[in-house]
Amino acid sequence: DTGVSQDPRHKITKRGQNVTFRCDPISEHNRLYWYRQTLGQGPEFLTYFQNEAQLEKSRLLSDRFSAERPKGSFSTLEIQRTEQGDSAMYLCASRPSAGGHNEQFFGPGTRLTVL
Amino acid sequence: DAKTTQPTSMDCAEGRAANLPCNHSTISGNEYVYWYRQIHSQGPQYIIHGLKNNETNEMASLIITEDRKSSTLILPHATLRDTAVYYCIVSRISSGSARQLTFGSGTQLTVLP
Repeated sequence: DTGVSQDPRHKITKRGQNVTFRCDPISEHNRLYWYRQTLGQGPEFLTYFQNEAQLEKSRLLSDRFSAERPKGSFSTLEIQRTEQGDSAMYLCASRPSAGGHNEQFFGPGTRLTVL
Repeated sequence: DAKTTQPTSMDCAEGRAANLPCNHSTISGNEYVYWYRQIHSQGPQYIIHGLKNNETNEMASLIITEDRKSSTLILPHATLRDTAVYYCIVSRISSGSARQLTFGSGTQLTVLP
């Protein structure tokens, strides 16, 4: 257990429905990342927060995706009008601000299945 | 960030050393080499990182060649719980940017009993 939690762990939804995932990072970590991982591939970066500010977004983050981190603590990732291609593991990671070391602490992920 | 190349899969006997290679021939002077691993159905886990000197911690050793174009992760006494996908990642030294990790496909290490 890294101290990063994600909820739910599994989500099955029908195509066209909206889904929301939650990430609770390690409390003193002000940097938070979302990644997506499809079967047989390594995780791919989606977006990055420093405190409550969303500072970077990948081209993978289409306009159906939105992420927030309203108080600089937990974060949510919402997917609207889900498509079968959205089926993947969604991973959250956090790291502290201090220092240049890039050790990121990952949560267990939320596995999304779109039927 | 520089691209890395790793073998797709490797086997290792339990109790023996596992040596996982990585090529990063385009690495630049301000980039570290990081290793993460991902056990099935879990999130990735940091193992070790280095710049140009060899590094050792309680999990593994990292050997970086003098020209920094390749490295080897060594698990000195592999156990069945070390079965995982191992990712070699190159990451810039920069406190100002996001510094997201760029994962390749990694090496599937299977430790055999």
